[in-house]
Amino acid sequence: GEDVEQSLFLSVREGDSSVINCTYTDSSSTYLYWYKQEPGAGLQLLTYIFSNMDMKQDQRLTVLLNKKDKHLSLRIADTQTGDSAIYFCAESDQAGTALIFGKGTTLSVSS
Amino acid sequence: GAVVSQHPSWVICKSGTSVKIECRSLDFQATTMFWYRQFPKQSLMLMATSNEGSKATYEQGVEKDKFLINHASLTLSTLTVTSAHPEDSSFYICSARRGTGRGNTIYFGEGSWLTVV
Repeated sequence: GEDVEQSLFLSVREGDSSVINCTYTDSSSTYLYWYKQEPGAGLQLLTYIFSNMDMKQDQRLTVLLNKKDKHLSLRIADTQTGDSAIYFCAESDQAGTALIFGKGTTLSVSS
Repeated sequence: GAVVSQHPSWVICKSGTSVKIECRSLDFQATTMFWYRQFPKQSLMLMATSNEGSKATYEQGVEKDKFLINHASLTLSTLTVTSAHPEDSSFYICSARRGTGRGNTIYFGEGSWLTVV
């Protein structure tokens, strides 16, 4: 079945760039998403990328997709303490009927 | 602003009682809504897919008599945890699909914390 894998923890200094990586298994996924979850809060959709794109940039966020290797990454430029959260990547099936999530990467930003 | 609203955000109930969680799409019609459950330090687990006007499709291992889902209108789905027990305490999140086919986007509610005492 589908599976999404992420590293569990990432620690960076304020002002540095953060790169969160994700691998997925379903080659038919048409959409790949990045969500952010702050403590005690629901998920917040950060950005998404279509499977026919290689890169998408949105302000400090850059998403890179390597479809051949089924590898997705999220780069946060100039990371701030407010970026500390859990980041989930997710893939959708072709019908868009469900999202398969990774276990989340906890990003810790130190000042 | 939020496009999917969940209510309540936090609820505490006594063991044996039932509790209802609402999920509303605020400015669009959602023919499909999803209910997830998140255990501490774990990822989301899809519980069921709720289609307006028809019975929900439950994932394997989810008790349909325990977690009643009603999607009576295009903007509202409800999850009722019946005869709640402490092990049902969890974070429940709904999502709603806007659009169809390749052009659809999924929006999440802010989640509901359920504590059963």
